[in-house]
Amino acid sequence: RKEVEQDPGPFNVPEGATVAFNCTYSNSASQSFFWYRQDCRKEPKLLMSVYSSGNEDGRFTAQLNRASQYISLLIRDSKLSDSATYLCVVNPLTGGYNKLIFGAGTRLAVHP
Amino acid sequence: EPEVTQTPSHQVTQMGQEVILRCVPISNHLYFYWYRQILGQKVEFLVSFYNNEISEKSEIFDDQFSVERPDGSNFTLKIRSTKLEDSAMYFCASSEIGSIEKLFFGSGTQLSVL
Repeated sequence: RKEVEQDPGPFNVPEGATVAFNCTYSNSASQSFFWYRQDCRKEPKLLMSVYSSGNEDGRFTAQLNRASQYISLLIRDSKLSDSATYLCVVNPLTGGYNKLIFGAGTRLAVHP
Repeated sequence: EPEVTQTPSHQVTQMGQEVILRCVPISNHLYFYWYRQILGQKVEFLVSFYNNEISEKSEIFDDQFSVERPDGSNFTLKIRSTKLEDSAMYFCASSEIGSIEKLFFGSGTQLSVL
């Protein structure tokens, strides 16, 4: 089983749509979880951290279900500028070391 | 906003040659990392570096790879004898002691091994 698994997409949605991405991770001892955004051939950029209580940042909502080892990202009112690849990222923090494990990403294309 | 800078942005080399990829992390950051991304694949961890030594390294980071902080600002990745499969985008990242999980990535060096 892959350490971090995501649906590769692409998700093609019209502007204004709501879209949800899911991710599962294999290491039940993982400590920290993130969503990163990556534009084509660019560096990953932190979108938001993911907490068990769920967290929201504007149009973006992230949820974590530790029991199911499942992470989600919801984007409301999609904009053209949201078109990118969304990376689910887990930090196992094993041994206290900081090492991010990236999923392969889910591509989102928002069209007019 | 402070940023991680990487040079060069593109590097073309012949198989078997040595390459050095350079990074200038954000000035008050103390944790440094190298990641790579082969075209069409996921971002992969290579190595983390703290207090002038390697903290952790992946299976990818074999004896052909080394990292160094030669002065107070630069952080380098050396590949001693490049192979075709080393062709990838190499990202440097750094984080600060109070927020080690928040990584700031550089814009990457695209390495092409011919």
